[in-house]
Amino acid sequence: EADIYQTPRYLVIGTGKKITLECSQTMGHDKMYWYQQDPGMELHLIHYSYGVNSTEKGDLSSESTVSRIRTEHFPLTLESARPSHTSQYLCASRRAGDTGELFFGEGSRLTVL
Amino acid sequence: GDSVTQMEGPVTLSEEAFLTINCTYTATGYPSLFWYVQYPGEGLQLLLKATKADDKGSNKGFEATYRKETTSFHLEKGSVQVSDSAVYFCALSEAGNQFYFGTGTSLTVIP
Repeated sequence: EADIYQTPRYLVIGTGKKITLECSQTMGHDKMYWYQQDPGMELHLIHYSYGVNSTEKGDLSSESTVSRIRTEHFPLTLESARPSHTSQYLCASRRAGDTGELFFGEGSRLTVL
Repeated sequence: GDSVTQMEGPVTLSEEAFLTINCTYTATGYPSLFWYVQYPGEGLQLLLKATKADDKGSNKGFEATYRKETTSFHLEKGSVQVSDSAVYFCALSEAGNQFYFGTGTSLTVIP
């Protein structure tokens, strides 16, 4: 069973607010990822990290930022939320090596009014 | 670059029907292949995987065979249940780095 946790599961906020989506894993995985999932289901990689103090932008441009100060923690921050940020955000992690699968959290559904 | 193409949905089947969801891939090397399932309101869960050509992944009655000659990894189940209603994603990973996902196929099974 995967040990990766996301909070909050659901969040409704007003435009202009700053929010942080939390993601933690207890598996000691070096690699962590954030995906944005649109209503059409498609997954878009927005950030990833291969270890502490390593962060990279993904394929989809995003106004969010991430940090990786500890191996187990990979929070995502939006400084000023807008309605266009309304989406499902999925955090994932994997162990090193070529064949390891991704483990996903249950997701954070964000609605910006 | 690497990519995954999977059958578009939505797919609607009657209980006990046979399921096939097609998935083909493009990769420069020798990727690992995966099927993930997403139930409503949840994250993705690994359903099965195969790490080399001719490997068959199986779980919960679902199967998929890694076919290098046709660059395919089709998902099959002989008799679907209502509880199989979900979104299914095909994915590949090469060199242990990024994952590439298909666009997802929504399956609804009716009693």
